[in-house]
Amino acid sequence: DIQMTQSPSLLSASVGDRVTINCKASQNINKYLNWYQQKLGEAPKLLIYNTNNLQTGIPSRFSGSGSGTDYTLTISSLQPEDFGTYFCFQHNSWPYTFGAGTKLELK
Amino acid sequence: EVQLVESGGGLVQPGRSMKLSCAASGFTFSNYGMAWVRQAPTKGLEWVATISYDGSSTYYRDSVKGRFTISRDNAKSTLYLQMNSLRSEDTATYYCTRGLGAWWGQGVMVTVSS
Repeated sequence: DIQMTQSPSLLSASVGDRVTINCKASQNINKYLNWYQQKLGEAPKLLIYNTNNLQTGIPSRFSGSGSGTDYTLTISSLQPEDFGTYFCFQHNSWPYTFGAGTKLELK
Repeated sequence: EVQLVESGGGLVQPGRSMKLSCAASGFTFSNYGMAWVRQAPTKGLEWVATISYDGSSTYYRDSVKGRFTISRDNAKSTLYLQMNSLRSEDTATYYCTRGLGAWWGQGVMVTVSS
């Protein structure tokens, strides 16, 4: 199975900050990497698909980049509604796997 | 508007069975692959099973292979997950999702306990 290692696991930031979350795959996943946001008690929400494609309705302050085994989610200017947990997800090969999550909290 | 509504969860004893359903609306169900994803309490996400748009292909994670069956009824726009020989480690919120997670249901809780 492809292991997805996210870092950091906990991120404290302030409104207006630029934040980055990293995800490292145990092997090349050919940019088949999605990012999800989950708030407490809610289902995950797709933010970015296939590394750098913004899902419809998602604000442009979210962006993704990467290739091979290393991927990054960037939020250019953190807004109050952005706090929650973020997961990366590879769909290059079965079984599809998620990262363990990055909890983004208010500093 | 796309809607996915799961049902069928609850408390079940170890070794018993349970069947989850996911009623889809707001899109042409028969055009999309579907999947079940689960999340144990305070834990991360696990992709459990996937089914192709026409039901001809299915994939399961190893821990549920041989115990869970994903299926669909395109005439009813409904996705199913038949879960047999349930174990305590299957306790989780189960989400129905379209494709690779563009849309999710609200989730249904399954608790496996004696």
